[in-house]
Amino acid sequence: GAVVSQHPSWVICKSGTSVKIECRSLDFQATTMFWYRQFPKQSLMLMATSNEGSKATYEQGVEKDKFLINHASLTLSTLTVTSAHPEDSSFYICSATRVWGSGLSDTQYFGPGTRLTVL
Amino acid sequence: DQQVKQNSPSLSVQEGRISILNCDYTNSMFDYFLWYKKYPAEGPTFLISISSIKDKNEDGRFTVFLNKSAKHLSLHIVPSQPGDSAVYFCAASTIKPASKGTYKYIFGTGTRLKVLA
Repeated sequence: GAVVSQHPSWVICKSGTSVKIECRSLDFQATTMFWYRQFPKQSLMLMATSNEGSKATYEQGVEKDKFLINHASLTLSTLTVTSAHPEDSSFYICSATRVWGSGLSDTQYFGPGTRLTVL
Repeated sequence: DQQVKQNSPSLSVQEGRISILNCDYTNSMFDYFLWYKKYPAEGPTFLISISSIKDKNEDGRFTVFLNKSAKHLSLHIVPSQPGDSAVYFCAASTIKPASKGTYKYIFGTGTRLKVLA
């Protein structure tokens, strides 16, 4: 159990276009989903916290108008990189935590990541 | 300000021996700690966690030790296997297990473990 998927696994786009990345919890309901970004040989940097049905909470320095997050259901969150530029090229990873009260911990379960390359 | 630090960027260990990965934190409010394993171009995989009410948690070949006074935790893998070769991240949070609310994790910079056959 606790499988999280991401789609697409990799994407190449032209500068100025928008890219949508989906994060799904396949076998559990996720109260909260997180979006991270990882640069080569660096740590995972939290971008935003997404709760189902409410606005995402963005970390300091992350542009909310550039990285649009929608968490429409307990199993799906999307990250849209708007007007992408080469500096947005990175590895984007989502994670999800189970619905509280299920007797399980709030451990975050990660998706496989999406490699975005902006030309 | 790096609140969670993994000072060793890499570690090489012979197969069958013990691997010890270290992690230090600065924020005394952290009370829940986790270790994740990550392969290139994949998402992290949860390994083991520990809450601040314990000083040790064991799961098979993996044991995590927590020294709250030193703000230090370590992951022991014994015996180490070639398949353990990966990047290991420690993470810290202010959440207490089974309490309401979900709080963000702060990740360390990772340690690349290489287990030599």
